[in-house]
Amino acid sequence: DIQMTQSPSSLSASVGDRVTITCRSSQRISSFLNWYQQKPGKAPKLLIYASSRLQSGVPSRFSGSGSGTDFTLTIRSLQVEDFATYYCQQSYNNPPTFGQGTKLGIK
Amino acid sequence: QVQLQESGPGLVKPSETLSLICTVSGDSISNYYWSWIRQPPGKGLESIGYIYYSGSTNYNPSLKSRVTISVDTSKNQISLKLRSVTAADTAVYYCAKRDGGGSSSPYSWFDPWGQGILVTVSS
Repeated sequence: DIQMTQSPSSLSASVGDRVTITCRSSQRISSFLNWYQQKPGKAPKLLIYASSRLQSGVPSRFSGSGSGTDFTLTIRSLQVEDFATYYCQQSYNNPPTFGQGTKLGIK
Repeated sequence: QVQLQESGPGLVKPSETLSLICTVSGDSISNYYWSWIRQPPGKGLESIGYIYYSGSTNYNPSLKSRVTISVDTSKNQISLKLRSVTAADTAVYYCAKRDGGGSSSPYSWFDPWGQGILVTVSS
């Protein structure tokens, strides 16, 4: 299985900050990388697919980039509703695998 | 829009079979792939497997020997059976639409998801 490693595992930030979360895969996965947001007690929600494509309805302050083994999710100008846990997921090989998550908290 | 709803027992005894159903509304399950994903309490996400409406499946090798995913197009439902469960199978189980390309296509993602159902394995 392809291992996905996110960093940091947790971080604290303030409303209005710019935040970057990194995801690294154990082998090259081209651009087949997706990002999800999960709030407590809720199901994950798709934010970004294929590394950089914004899912319909997701605010434009979210962006993704990367290819090969290194990927980033950037949130420009954090809003209160963005405090959540974020997961990356590779779709290059079966089984699909997820990162361990990055918990974004309020500073 | 498409909505998914998981249902089934919230408590299963060790060594027994976990059985869940995902009911899809707002669209037909035909022509799409459907997945099961689980999340142990306080932990990360694990793909269990997915099925095409025609019945072809792809399972996570780590669970393949114990899992069966099936589809009932007449009821617009996808089912999950996990045999010989242990406490390690305690988790929130989600169903999700696997969107994007076909079974062998790497161009895929999970959207939307059901709300999830907590299944506890305990005697």
